[in-house]
Amino acid sequence: GENVEQHPSTLSVQEGDSAVIKCTYSDSASNYFPWYKQELGKRPQLIIDIRSNVGEKKDQRIAVTLNKTAKHFSLHITETQPEDSAVYFCAATSSGTYKYIFGTGTRLKVLA
Amino acid sequence: GAVVSQHPSWVICKSGTSVKIECRSLDFQATTMFWYRQFPKQSLMLMATSNEGSKATYEQGVEKDKFLINHASLTLSTLTVTSAHPEDSSFYICSARGDKDTQYFGPGTRLTVL
Repeated sequence: GENVEQHPSTLSVQEGDSAVIKCTYSDSASNYFPWYKQELGKRPQLIIDIRSNVGEKKDQRIAVTLNKTAKHFSLHITETQPEDSAVYFCAATSSGTYKYIFGTGTRLKVLA
Repeated sequence: GAVVSQHPSWVICKSGTSVKIECRSLDFQATTMFWYRQFPKQSLMLMATSNEGSKATYEQGVEKDKFLINHASLTLSTLTVTSAHPEDSSFYICSARGDKDTQYFGPGTRLTVL
C-alpha cells in the first residue's frame, strides 16, 4: 500500500546549525507534499508545502526540495533556534484523493 | 484565515459511555474534513474522511459503528465514540480541507476513558 518513510526519527543540532529531514513516498501519483510542525499537545501547523510541478520552495529559514524521479522530498531548516524544537511530519497525498499519508515524524531538538 | 476549532479540548468519561467531539471550520467552508487519532509519540493515523452531506469513508480497521461521523454542514463535522473503552483513550484531531489540497488542523481532543 501507499507509504511514506521519514528519517531520522530524532535529530539533535546545535543552535545556529542546519537540520535536514528526509521523506520517501511510494505512490508516484502523489502530487502535494506538506510539512507540519507539532509541539507537544498542540495541533500540527503547516510550515511549508510543495507541489509536484516544482523542485524547490523556500520560505525564510525553511526550504523543501522534491525529487520526483527518486520519490524523495526533504525539509531544510537553516540557522536553527530553540523554538524550532518540535516534532516534524511530512505527508504526501494519496492518489486520487485528498487524503494525506503521514510520515512517522522526526523529533528535532535544538540545543542552546 | 483557515481556522479550525475542536470541542471539547479534553474529556474524561466512564467505560461504556459515548462521547461526541465537534470540529468546526470557523472562517471557511469545508466540504471535506478528516478525523485522525494520535497515540503518544506516534504519527497521525487517519480514521475516516468526512464529506458534507454524505456518509463518511472509513479507513481499514476502523469500526464505523463505533466511531460515528456526521458532517451535516459545510462548517461542522462530529465524531462520536460509542461505548468507549480504555483502549479508545487517545488524542483525536480533525482537519478541514481548504483551498486545493491543504488541510488545516483543529487543536485536538484528549479523550481519557476510565
